Amino acid sequence: GAGVSQSPSNKVTEKGKDVELRCDPISGHTALYWYRQSLGQGLEFLIYFQGNSAPDKSGLPSDRFSAERTGGSVSTLTIQRTQQEDSAVYLCASSSQGYIGQPQHFGDGTRLSIL
Amino acid sequence: AQSVAQPEDQVNVAEGNPLTVKCTYSVSGNPYLFWYVQYPNRGLQFLLKYITGDNLVKGSYGFEAEFNKSQTSFHLKKPSALVSDSALYFCAVRESGSSASKIIFGSGTRLSIRP
Repeated sequence: GAGVSQSPSNKVTEKGKDVELRCDPISGHTALYWYRQSLGQGLEFLIYFQGNSAPDKSGLPSDRFSAERTGGSVSTLTIQRTQQEDSAVYLCASSSQGYIGQPQHFGDGTRLSIL
Repeated sequence: AQSVAQPEDQVNVAEGNPLTVKCTYSVSGNPYLFWYVQYPNRGLQFLLKYITGDNLVKGSYGFEAEFNKSQTSFHLKKPSALVSDSALYFCAVRESGSSASKIIFGSGTRLSIRP
């Protein structure tokens, strides 16, 4: 079956522009996570969606960052007025929450470069 | 608050030798512990997890990990390293008992296996 799909795989944009990153989780997975990874470093938690519950937005670095998940499936991470420090790989992961010990399944990420 | 630490940024091992990648954690309740591997330009792949039961957990590609409650550690091990094991490894922890708890990742350890 299909895994987690992220698009675009690469995005280059000018400083100050808005960008939208898309994540298609595995069908039926109720939990969805966004992370940011800089230059092969560790994962920085951004936001967590779990079913119909209010998302955990505690990792969003500023109010320029927002995310939504429509219909409990596809998620979009939006970065407004991009800055050079936003350059990173943005990873999405999903998991089945029928049992919280389930591992996460990751997409290959969107590599974002801000010029 | 839960946390996880990977004290080594890099581990270098000769092919055929045993390898260990260290991980320690902190949670207020019982932990769910995970190891993931990341190859270049890819998302993270699940290797193994500890939920309950035997302290020695076996996973993909011949890896295993030992849960040690008294030392709050979950070190990743392999008896005989392969050059193809060279990658970035992440330990992750989640606090059991709440579907709302998010998964926290360590900073990653780069494993380099020399021929």
